[in-house]
Amino acid sequence: KNEVEQSPQNLTAQEGEFITINCSYSVGISALHWLQQHPGGGIVSLFMLSSGKKKHGRLIATINIQEKHSSLHITASHPRDSAVYICAVIPDTGNQFYFGTGTSLTVIP
Amino acid sequence: NAGVTQTPKFQVLKTGQSMTLQCAQDMNHEYMSWYRQDPGMGLRLIHYSVGAGITDQGEVPNGYNVSRSTTEDFPLRLLSAAPSQTSVYFCASSIDRGPYEQYFGPGTRLTVT
Repeated sequence: KNEVEQSPQNLTAQEGEFITINCSYSVGISALHWLQQHPGGGIVSLFMLSSGKKKHGRLIATINIQEKHSSLHITASHPRDSAVYICAVIPDTGNQFYFGTGTSLTVIP
Repeated sequence: NAGVTQTPKFQVLKTGQSMTLQCAQDMNHEYMSWYRQDPGMGLRLIHYSVGAGITDQGEVPNGYNVSRSTTEDFPLRLLSAAPSQTSVYFCASSIDRGPYEQYFGPGTRLTVT
């Protein structure tokens, strides 16, 4: 059973649209990690957060610890944002990351 | 700064063959780990190391060995390849074990026939 659930699994958007990707988890956590995997396969870190909100350029990540939920928002989406976005959590009782299956985003020009 | 490097990028093995996937990092990170990525599943931890000379098993360790003789290098050995080990393998490192940002290598796509 995966302790991390992402939605939607697949998402297609028009260039310029506001995008939201959701991550829900079932255990108490010490941190949550958003990652991006491009079609070439490489995985890069976007955000690490344990509370509140973080922003980097057009990307915004929020987390609600009480509701066990995080969202990744992309404003003014662009075709270069097309990638798989992965959510991972570290339970507060352990030291290992558990990963969601990812959300595949395609942004059409 | 090369970050985390992995070789090879692609590999095809026959069932029963052995091989070593190489991983190196130049960020002086204590924590290194190996994951496999399979369709429809999240990344799963194979083995990890919290420092030179110290390794431990993750979620799916069977059929794999690791060693950590230096801070920089963390090779993954497949002892006797099986078709179930067909996967994409990622090495990652972070400053320490726990809630710290992970840096991933480019991955190795392995096919076992």
